[in-house]
Amino acid sequence: NAGVTQTPKFQVLKTGQSMTLQCAQDMNHNSMYWYRQDPGMGLRLIYYSASEGTTDKGEVPNGYNVSRLNKREFSLRLESAAPSQTSVYFCASSERPASSQETQYFGPGTRLLVL
Amino acid sequence: KQEVTQIPAALSVPEGENLVLNCSFTDSAIYNLQWFRQDPGKGLTSLLLIQSSQREQTSGRLNASLDKSSGRSTLYIAASQPGDSATYLCAVRPSRGSTLGRLYFGRGTQLTVWP
Repeated sequence: NAGVTQTPKFQVLKTGQSMTLQCAQDMNHNSMYWYRQDPGMGLRLIYYSASEGTTDKGEVPNGYNVSRLNKREFSLRLESAAPSQTSVYFCASSERPASSQETQYFGPGTRLLVL
Repeated sequence: KQEVTQIPAALSVPEGENLVLNCSFTDSAIYNLQWFRQDPGKGLTSLLLIQSSQREQTSGRLNASLDKSSGRSTLYIAASQPGDSATYLCAVRPSRGSTLGRLYFGRGTQLTVWP
């Protein structure tokens, strides 16, 4: 049982390049989330998927797209990377967002540097 | 918009001390509040989750309290150890708004426990 896994762990991009961050969970969770963490800013929600087949914008969606490929996988795509997207990206999952006892489980993060 | 503040931003204490980390939030309409631990270069690990109807939760040397009406939570760590050194994040889950399951995070308290 690996929990939430993310690939790659680290990536360097040049401005304008594109890339996809991959996330997978093996806990049969319904909901998945993408956050970014910047120094002094805390974690901010980029996109989320409440269930398979649905995605919605979070607080900072500009410059990103997502795909909920199936129940296990939720990818985040940067079409044209910008230096402002330099950050640490975390994927998380939860079983049932409607439950007040919900805990989100986080992956180890992807460190992205855009030059 | 929900805002979460954590005080202090950093804390350095000798081993064995009891310590308190503080978290405040602006909107008392929450489902729950969670405390996470983040080690350098790693993901987030959930420590304690307090439902809105609860006053406190305990796990080993950790005790978290919640005063929803005043918008405050504290994380109490008893008999601190060097292994407790990490960043502690507070997050609340709003009970109103359109984003199911979304968490609002504080910026964290960076704790160092020295031998």
